[in-house]
Amino acid sequence: KAGVTQTPRYLIKTRGQQVTLSCSPISGHRSVSWYQQTPGQGLQFLFEYFSETQRNKGNFPGRFSGRQFSNSRSEMNVSTLELGDSALYLCASSFGTQHYGYTFGSGTRLTVV
Amino acid sequence: QKEVEQDPGPLSVPEGAIVSLNCTYSNSAFQYFMWYRQYSRKGPELLMYTYSSGNKEDGRFTAQVDKSSKYISLFIRDSQPSDSATYLCAMSVGGSEKLVFGKGTKLTVNP
Repeated sequence: KAGVTQTPRYLIKTRGQQVTLSCSPISGHRSVSWYQQTPGQGLQFLFEYFSETQRNKGNFPGRFSGRQFSNSRSEMNVSTLELGDSALYLCASSFGTQHYGYTFGSGTRLTVV
Repeated sequence: QKEVEQDPGPLSVPEGAIVSLNCTYSNSAFQYFMWYRQYSRKGPELLMYTYSSGNKEDGRFTAQVDKSSKYISLFIRDSQPSDSATYLCAMSVGGSEKLVFGKGTKLTVNP
């Protein structure tokens, strides 16, 4: 059974640019969540999508956005990149209707220079 | 005060030792409690999942939740070098709410 797939694995971007990250959830999972992981703050919740609707949102600025497609695949976008956006971005998927825990992908390592 | 507190360690133990990891939390509305293991350059992997209070055992791993004390624990028996990783506690209010994570405890099991 395929796990959660995130692409690309690594990205280097320049300050001020924008970036799009992609996540393919486990087949049958309808909920996709995004987290930012940094050494200083740990794992922080960005947002969650369920059936193409944003259901929950964390305390991040509007530069961080996301969407989910009808096949449950999700993308997140960060505009006007700042140095502080350098982090590991993790996607997690679940069935979404009952809590069986989330399965995480290996993440996208974003470096902003 | 952070919602979830976890001692970052690092924690170093000999192979075969019993390891105790724990987290405290302040939000009494948390109902779902999880432990994740994260190896270097990998995403977190779900180890244990508990709803409300009580104990849950899975092989060498035991998770305990004490809601009255707002304290959760993970015990690892007969620890192995392959258990060397960062262990993260996580919790949520509802079944599909956001997860709030501790910062993780880095564990090294020495052969």
